[in-house]
Amino acid sequence: TAGITQAPTSQILAAGRSMTLRCTQDMRHNAMYWYRQDLGLGLRLIHYSNTAGTTGKGEVPDGYSVSRANTDDFPLTLASAVPSQTSVYFCASSPGQALNSPLHFGNGTRLTVT
Amino acid sequence: AQTVTQSQPEMSVQEAETVTLSCTYDTSESDYYLFWYKQPPSRQMILVIRQEAYKQQNATENRFSVNFQKAAKSFSLKISDSQLGDAAMYFCAYRSGPIYNTDKLIFGTGTRLQVFP
Repeated sequence: TAGITQAPTSQILAAGRSMTLRCTQDMRHNAMYWYRQDLGLGLRLIHYSNTAGTTGKGEVPDGYSVSRANTDDFPLTLASAVPSQTSVYFCASSPGQALNSPLHFGNGTRLTVT
Repeated sequence: AQTVTQSQPEMSVQEAETVTLSCTYDTSESDYYLFWYKQPPSRQMILVIRQEAYKQQNATENRFSVNFQKAAKSFSLKISDSQLGDAAMYFCAYRSGPIYNTDKLIFGTGTRLQVFP
């Protein structure tokens, strides 16, 4: 089973350019999340979606936008990239909002903004 | 706001020995879950173990066990009979529910574990 697929695996992006990080899951999970991972800071939540058609802001939402048109896809868009957005980005999903629902993670996208 | 603290940026252990990774958290909520995730060099995030706040019994998964001290807000991970494949970054995480309008998983900063043969 594929689980969560993130694309691209890595990307170098010039500052000021826009980019969409793709995330697709085939588990029919209701909830999806975007995290960024930075050394010494752990994983921080950017945006989340509890169900198709709804989204919410996480801890570090500035400079990012998301959409959730259907259950399977949860793209993350950087409208105008800045060097501080250099990071590893993880998409995750969970079956629902039950507290014991673990998150399933994609393999991440390494983004470098120059 | 909830916070998760991992005070050990790096730890090391000899193969076959036991190591304990510490994690503390701060919350005013009574119902929550705690998790340990492992991230090997492949970058994949793997769930190791989880603990419900209401359960007094410590969770155990094969060589992995936790010491959950709710009053002290402590959630340490013990790895017994360490193996080379245990070398990874380990993240402690906290999850509260939608009734608190904070349906998200909060991570600590991670502990890098090295295993020496």
